[in-house]
Parts: sequence; structure tokens; C-alpha cells
Amino acid sequence: AQSVAQPEDQVNVAEGNPLTVKCTYSVSGNPYLFWYVQYPNRGLQFLLKYITGDNLVKGSYGFEAEFNKSQTSFHLKKPSALVSDSALYFCAVRDGVVDNNDMRFGAGTRLTVKP
Amino acid sequence: DTGVSQNPRHKITKRGQNVTFRCDPISEHNRLYWYRQTLGQGPEFLTYFQNEAQLEKSRLLSDRFSAERPKGSFSTLEIQRTEQGDSAMYLCASSSDRNTDTQYFGPGTRLTVL
Repeated sequence: AQSVAQPEDQVNVAEGNPLTVKCTYSVSGNPYLFWYVQYPNRGLQFLLKYITGDNLVKGSYGFEAEFNKSQTSFHLKKPSALVSDSALYFCAVRDGVVDNNDMRFGAGTRLTVKP
Repeated sequence: DTGVSQNPRHKITKRGQNVTFRCDPISEHNRLYWYRQTLGQGPEFLTYFQNEAQLEKSRLLSDRFSAERPKGSFSTLEIQRTEQGDSAMYLCASSSDRNTDTQYFGPGTRLTVL
């Protein structure tokens, strides 16, 4: 079955600096990869996805992620962090070959951007 | 607000009681999903509906859990004989046939079983 690992529980960056939130995945078929963000007392919000095509995917709020098949990674990046980016970030994977809807999420990474 | 809504937002119950949660998806979305999220973890898939048909169920969905979507619109998730281990955030999401891979999540129902 597919799985996702987010190796960092917490990432701290200073405002204006670039940020990276790491994600690695395991899937037997084609990986469909997603990033979601969760703010306190709010539902998960979709940021971006990779299904096929360009390895660099651009999403909401200036975020982007790079699909790296050889490293089985899908790291989330932003060139210049904002304090308002502080939230919980989840990476998720679905097997694009198996026709099911079982999307597996990582445990999440808490991003804190300090002024 | 035309997003996914869930009611109630919070539910506190005693062990052994039954609880029911409701999810109203985005109106044109025919796909609906239920997830469970415990503290410090990501959401775990429970079940999936396409219109009124329940097409997938996770092994996490024990016999005490039942979900319905009778008219292909709103859905209910019932937990019978609740246990303390059922305490979690229950999330609902929906997606459309045109964009099946992008799921839109509701705010969740936080269940506390005493």
C-alpha cells in the first residue's frame, strides 16, 4: 500500500527566508501527490498536486513542489516565507494505477515562520 | 459559504452512546469522503461515496461505524457504542467528477468520548 513520510515534525524559518517542507513517498503504481495546509480550527486546504507532466508544480499562495522520481520525494518550497504561512502542512499520496480513493497522508509538519 | 460543511463541530459523549455526524458537500460534487484524524497524525481514509453508492471502506471502519448518503447529497456517519478510542476529528471532503483528485475538506467534527 502507498505511504508518505514527513521526516520533520517541525520546521522553523525566519520571515523572508526560503522554506522547504520535506516529503517522501512509497507507492507501487504511479504516484499522485498532494500538499494540504491546515490552519487552527479550519479544514485542510488544498495547495497543489502532481499527477503527470512537469516535475515542478506551482500552487496556491506562492508555494511550489518538485516531484523527484529517483528520490521518491515531493518537497514543498517557497522562495520567501511569510508569518502567515505558519500552519500544519500535510503531504499525501494516492496510487494512480489502482482505481481507488485511498489517499494516504503523512503525519504533518508544523511550519513556524518567525518575524 | 459554498464550501463543505459539517455538523456538529464538537460532540462530547459518554462511552457506549451512539453519535451521528453530518456532512454537506459542495453542491455540485458527487464524490464524498470521510476521514479520521487523531492528534499528531494526518487524516486516515475511512470511506468513499460516489453519488449514493458507498464504493470503498477502509479496514479502519469497524462494524460500529456506518455511513450513508441516501440521496447522493449530504452524508451521515454514525458510530454506535462509542469507545474512548473513537475520540478524534472526523473530516469530510468532496470532489467533482471533473476534478476527482482535488478534495475539498470541511472543518471537521471533533468527537470526545468520556
